[in-house]
Amino acid sequence: DTGVSQDPRHKITKRGQNVTFRCDPISEHNRLYWYRQTLGQGPEFLTYFQNEAQLEKSRLLSDRFSAERPKGSFSTLEIQRTEQGDSAMYLCASSQGFIGYGYTFGSGTRLTVV
Amino acid sequence: EDQVTQSPEALRLQEGESSSLNCSYTVSGLRGLFWYRQDPGKGPEFLFTLYSAGEEKEKERLKATLTKKESFLHITAPKPEDSATYLCARSGTASKLTFGTGTRLQVTL
Repeated sequence: DTGVSQDPRHKITKRGQNVTFRCDPISEHNRLYWYRQTLGQGPEFLTYFQNEAQLEKSRLLSDRFSAERPKGSFSTLEIQRTEQGDSAMYLCASSQGFIGYGYTFGSGTRLTVV
Repeated sequence: EDQVTQSPEALRLQEGESSSLNCSYTVSGLRGLFWYRQDPGKGPEFLFTLYSAGEEKEKERLKATLTKKESFLHITAPKPEDSATYLCARSGTASKLTFGTGTRLQVTL
């Protein structure tokens, strides 16, 4: 197993464009999380899936953001009508059951909105 | 509201010079206190989970401890490869982690 994989690693987009990121979790992990991290800050929770069900969403997740996890495998995070404030590292993580075992994070997708 | 505060923001140590990083957290509803290491351009790497006051966990040169209000990450005789940002996080639910802003550690020869 190669860990949590995220694609692309970097994305530069013009303001107003839509972008989509993909996350492939560790295969036996049933929980998948999306976080956002800006420079000098810790990661901020966006949303969480258990299998294919999206169980929790942060207030940070505006209507322009949507996440899916079809069939409980990979996940996508889409941002519509991007704004400069969306520039950040988007991190995906997965875990098997109990959070206490710790998440495994991917290396992230760095989004720059110009 | 869940809060996690880490200090110092940055720490520079010479190789072999032991020190501690501090994490204070919202006590109410704590289900776990977590430490992660993050290298530049990478996602955080899980180090430890602590659940109750008095608990300690060790890994190589790192030891994490938990009191009723704070957690400490002790670094003994650090090496340059220990240079990274160390993140503390708390869990108040079964799913979400609230992270602090981290301590940037630099270990020089």
